[in-house]
Amino acid sequence: NAGVTQTPKFQVLKTGQSMTLQCAQDMNHEYMSWYRQDPGMGLRLIHYSVGAGITDQGEVPNGYNVSRSTTEDFPLRLLSAAPSQTSVYFCASSYSLTRGTNYGYTFGSGTRLTVV
Amino acid sequence: SQKIEQNSEALNIQEGKTATLTCNYTNYSPAYLQWYRQDPGRGPVFLLLIRENEKEKRKERLKVTFDTTLKQSLFHITASQPADSATYLCVRTGANNLFFGTGTRLTVIP
Repeated sequence: NAGVTQTPKFQVLKTGQSMTLQCAQDMNHEYMSWYRQDPGMGLRLIHYSVGAGITDQGEVPNGYNVSRSTTEDFPLRLLSAAPSQTSVYFCASSYSLTRGTNYGYTFGSGTRLTVV
Repeated sequence: SQKIEQNSEALNIQEGKTATLTCNYTNYSPAYLQWYRQDPGRGPVFLLLIRENEKEKRKERLKVTFDTTLKQSLFHITASQPADSATYLCVRTGANNLFFGTGTRLTVIP
């Protein structure tokens, strides 16, 4: 049981480049989400999904796109990277929003992204 | 705004003592508060949850309290060990979101 797997672990991009951060879970979780963590700030929600085919914006969605074609995968796309997107990105999942509220969320180990 | 604040950025304690971390919230009354542990280079790991109608919750050496009058949650680690050294995050659950505090970095000195 791998839990939540994020790839890559580290990435350096040039301004303007695009890339996709991968997130996969093998727990049959319906709810998946992306957060970014910056120094001196708490984790902030970028996008989330309550099931395949359903996505919605979080607190800081600008510059990011997501899609959810399967229950297992929830990739995060940076369309045109900017230095302000330098951060550590975490994917989190739970059986449902309600289950996450009551039993906590499972996080991946993160992707450290640097945009130069 | 609905803030969740962890007062101390860092806390150092001696091994064997009880560590107490504080989480304060303003302008709202959360129904749930969650606590996570985060090690360097890793994602947060869920530890405990407490509901607004619960005064206290325990799990092994961990204890969480919830005081709705003071708008505060306290997180205690008893008989602390160097392996408890990590950053601890207080989290409020929203309708579709988690609102994180900035965390308290705990160091347990042998």
